[in-house]
Amino acid sequence: EVQLLESGGGLILPGGSLRLSCAGSGFTFSRYAMSWVRQAPGKGLEWVSGITDNGDSTYYRDSVKGRFTISRDNSKNTLYLQMDSLTAADTALYYCAKDSSVAAAGPVFDSWGQGTLVSVSS
Amino acid sequence: EIVMTQSPATLSVSPGERATLSCRASQSVASNLAWYQQRPGQAPRLLIYGASIRATNIPARFSGSGSVTEFTLTISSLQSEDFAVYYCQQYNNWPPWTFGQGTKVEIK
Repeated sequence: EVQLLESGGGLILPGGSLRLSCAGSGFTFSRYAMSWVRQAPGKGLEWVSGITDNGDSTYYRDSVKGRFTISRDNSKNTLYLQMDSLTAADTALYYCAKDSSVAAAGPVFDSWGQGTLVSVSS
Repeated sequence: EIVMTQSPATLSVSPGERATLSCRASQSVASNLAWYQQRPGQAPRLLIYGASIRATNIPARFSGSGSVTEFTLTISSLQSEDFAVYYCQQYNNWPPWTFGQGTKVEIK
């Protein structure tokens, strides 16, 4: 069974930094692209960042470019999101999501963690 | 960025009835469209990809159709566990990969 377990969220002051982690198990982690998707309280889903299976390519939405860094350690089956210069607009539940690899065009997320909550507030 | 627009925002349906949800893309996404279900307090779950292909273990009462810019998710006979929020997502033009704002299916 695929499991994704996020950690690292919390309450942080504006301008602060956090590093999220996502530990994967039940599948060959190194074979799949991964993404972070967030959901602000009471709102919809928003893709944040993605990384290819070997980590060679990374992708970001414009609003986090230059502030967030996605990375992975395939030897530890773990995905990371380094978040710097946080603002209130980054407050959300952050999900780690696995690409199913069923589509050549782009990611279809077939497994999700339960999320880790990031709250940015003074 | 491709904007995905879902309608209606809320759909009130009685158990056993049919529900039809719509998703429109601001430009062509071919058939690169997925649907997800999110129950309260839970993570999203993949239902449909390729506009019409059911994901593993998804019941046959869920079906998807459409292409280019207009897509539909149909739930043929609503069960109690189907009352949830449904999101469409395009994966044709990226980044960013974009979701619709969601349709909440509630009990009538």
